[in-house]
Amino acid sequence: GAVVSQHPSRVICKSGTSVKIECRSLDFQATTMFWYRQFPKQSLMLMATSNEGSKATYEQGVEKDKFLINHASLTLSTLTVTSAHPEDSSFYICSARDITGGAGYTFGSGTRLTVV
Amino acid sequence: AQSVAQPEDQVNVAEGNPLTVKCTYSVSGNPYLFWYVQYPNRGLQFLLKYITGDNLVKGSYGFEAEFNKSQTSFHLKKPSALVSDSALYFCAVRYRPYNQGGKLIFGQGTELSVKP
Repeated sequence: GAVVSQHPSRVICKSGTSVKIECRSLDFQATTMFWYRQFPKQSLMLMATSNEGSKATYEQGVEKDKFLINHASLTLSTLTVTSAHPEDSSFYICSARDITGGAGYTFGSGTRLTVV
Repeated sequence: AQSVAQPEDQVNVAEGNPLTVKCTYSVSGNPYLFWYVQYPNRGLQFLLKYITGDNLVKGSYGFEAEFNKSQTSFHLKKPSALVSDSALYFCAVRYRPYNQGGKLIFGQGTELSVKP
């Protein structure tokens, strides 16, 4: 089935630095990818929709300049958390639309970001 | 507005007993409904979906869900629970068909605990 690889699985960074998270569709082309943020034992909050070759669409309240999304190819989307602060610590999950697969949406395994 | 509600934060069942995880939705138009399971520090795994057709949908790992239009519900069920079913379960709705974009809106999640 469709597989989405998300890397890294865990990252610890210092306040003020930037962190890049990658999301790759391994065996299908993903014209659309989604980035979610999840707090412990809470629901997934959609941050933005990433479209290949165009600007991402951000949900209300999500800072575009802080959470930079790039979807330069049909198999790769990246989320960069810029000038990270401790309150950015969270679990970030990407998802890709697989229009050929039965599930429709395939999720990455998530990235645990800790900002110290 | 499109929304999904999971009224129970936690469901506790004994191994071998049937389980039900509740979900209600509010959408305009025909709903596209999904169930996902999440294990600790992992991404989401697809269980099943309802797009159209039979109201009873069978999915992975012995799970099934019943779409009830009059009650706007899509409860997840399993006849005999396993300890390994213990996880966080999310109901989700997509409020646009594929060719018009397709964001998933998630419920708040229900933690299922199955005791031996």
